[in-house]
Amino acid sequence: DAGVTQSPTHLIKTRGQQVTLRCSPKSGHDTVSWYQQALGQGPQFIFQYYEEEERQRGNFPDRFSGHQFPNYSSELNVNALLLGDSALYLCASGSLAARETQYFGPGTRLLVL
Amino acid sequence: GENVEQHPSTLSVQEGDSAVIKCTYSDSASNYFPWYKQELGKRPQLIIDIRSNVGEKKDQRIAVTLNKTAKHFSLHITETQPEDSAVYFCAATEGGTSYGKLTFGQGTILTVHP
Repeated sequence: DAGVTQSPTHLIKTRGQQVTLRCSPKSGHDTVSWYQQALGQGPQFIFQYYEEEERQRGNFPDRFSGHQFPNYSSELNVNALLLGDSALYLCASGSLAARETQYFGPGTRLLVL
Repeated sequence: GENVEQHPSTLSVQEGDSAVIKCTYSDSASNYFPWYKQELGKRPQLIIDIRSNVGEKKDQRIAVTLNKTAKHFSLHITETQPEDSAVYFCAATEGGTSYGKLTFGQGTILTVHP
């Protein structure tokens, strides 16, 4: 039973560029949430997807957008990258239908230069 | 929205001692409280969780207690071992669902000295 997977593991971009991060949820899970974890901080909620719709959104600008596909996998897109976007981006999957708790993927470490 | 405060920010104990980490939350509607352990460079891993219909839950050396009236919950680790060294995060979900938005505390760096 595969757990939550994310790709890529590491990424280096320059200011102004755009980035796409990917997440595959744990088998049987139907929700995908994205979190940003800056160094030394707790994860901050970006948004959650369920049934291909954004279900909840945190306090992040519109530069952060996402998508969920019919197979429940998800993408996080960040446009016009800023230095402050450098962080570990974590994906967590859960199950709304089964009311199952969330499990995190290994994360993508993004460095913006 | 929900706000979670976590204390202490760092905790240093000797192997075999107990460790206690405390969190308070603001949203009285929250009723699901997970704890995550994060080792350096790794993902947060769920170690224990509690729902508001339960006051205490134990899993071997780990226990969590919840006081809904005071809106605080605590993680207790007994007989600590060096491999318990990590950053621990408490969290709460808005609306009380286990699958909803998690609001995290600031984290506690636990160091267990051999």
